[in-house]
Amino acid sequence: QVQLVQSGAEVKKPGASVKVSCKASGYTFTSYGISWVRQAPGQGLEWMGWISAYNGNTNYAQKLQGRVTMTTDTSTSTAYMELRSLRSDDTAVYYCVRAGVGVKYGPWGQGTLVTVSS
Amino acid sequence: DIQMTQSPSTLSASVGDRVTITCRASQSISSWLAWYQQKPGKAPKLLIYKASSLESGVPSRFSGSGSGTEFTLTISSLQPDDFATYYCQQYNSYSPLTWTFGQGTKVEIK
Repeated sequence: QVQLVQSGAEVKKPGASVKVSCKASGYTFTSYGISWVRQAPGQGLEWMGWISAYNGNTNYAQKLQGRVTMTTDTSTSTAYMELRSLRSDDTAVYYCVRAGVGVKYGPWGQGTLVTVSS
Repeated sequence: DIQMTQSPSTLSASVGDRVTITCRASQSISSWLAWYQQKPGKAPKLLIYKASSLESGVPSRFSGSGSGTEFTLTISSLQPDDFATYYCQQYNSYSPLTWTFGQGTKVEIK
């Protein structure tokens, strides 16, 4: 079955970077993209950006431009999201979602809690 | 950027009630709208895509309607399992993908 499995929880200090992985299985990885969505505690869903697993094209949310980088490794069917210069308000659960162009979205990964605290 | 505004933010209802949640886009998005249900500690679950298409396995009491800038999610008869938070999401149909979520509507037990 189609599945996205994310890396484990992280605790980081302000100013540090975090890199979250999302390993895909059950489908042809390069036929879809991956979106990243985060959710701060008690808050709503925030779209962070999207990467095409076919050609590596990206589109980042304006708010995160310059701090976020999304990449893929097609040899391992894994997507990565790196967020730099972490602040306390980056504390959130980070989700990856299979996101092809013109098709239904899903599934979602299980989420990765990133805690930013001094 | 397209903004999505959901209303109400919180809704109190009883089992069996008909419930309607509204989502408005700041500009026309045709029918490129999805609805999700989220329960605490869980990833969102897709209910409706392309404004009115029911995702496989989702009960038929859920329905979506609208196009352009105004959309609704209706639960025809609220069930105990439906108490959750609901989000609308606008998306485009071409590369690169761009998404925007509404702020969410929490459906609580009255």
